[in-house]
Amino acid sequence: DAGVIQSPRHEVTEMGQEVTLRCKPISGHDYLFWYRQTMMRGLELLIYFNNNVPIDDSGMPEDRFSAKMPNASFSTLKIQPSEPRDSAVYFCASSPGGAGSVVYGYTFGSGTRLTVV
Amino acid sequence: GDSVTQMEGPVTLSEEAFLTINCTYTATGYPSLFWYVQYPGEGLQLLLKATKADDKGSNKGFEATYRKETTSFHLEKGSVQVSDSAVYFCALSASGGGADGLTFGKGTHLIIQP
Repeated sequence: DAGVIQSPRHEVTEMGQEVTLRCKPISGHDYLFWYRQTMMRGLELLIYFNNNVPIDDSGMPEDRFSAKMPNASFSTLKIQPSEPRDSAVYFCASSPGGAGSVVYGYTFGSGTRLTVV
Repeated sequence: GDSVTQMEGPVTLSEEAFLTINCTYTATGYPSLFWYVQYPGEGLQLLLKATKADDKGSNKGFEATYRKETTSFHLEKGSVQVSDSAVYFCALSASGGGADGLTFGKGTHLIIQP
């Protein structure tokens, strides 16, 4: 397996534009997580899915953020409209769930570095 | 709520020095504890874990012991190498099973000089 694949690696956009980040989890992993990493706040859990169903979105900062998982092999995180304070590195991670999450941990993608100017 | 506190960095050491990165946590119940490592330009990777009190996790020469009485999970290595330079994150899973999202510390940037 190629691991968790995120695209794009880098995104520069203007304030007010829509941004879509993409993630392909590891095949067979039942859980998918979106995290945001900034210097000030560290790693924050935004939302996670179990079997394609959103379980907890309490970390989503505001209504401008939305996430979907239409099938087991694809998820998107959308920001509309984007603002400069959304600039961060966004990570997607997947895990098998249950004991597997502890034994093998979460597998993280390489992240998308978003810059909103 | 649950939280993880790590020592602030950067931590700069010479090669072959002894390493300790402190980590303490606040959680209800019996969390599982983890250390993750992030190399430049990459995502986080699981380094080691412990699921119950007094468990010792170990990997690649790194060790950490789950201390319930002090709510700590300090990371140690006896002799660091330049290749250990990275950002290290302490994390917990409140459910123990890790399937509800991990809570991370802010990370400690480790720099090893030759």
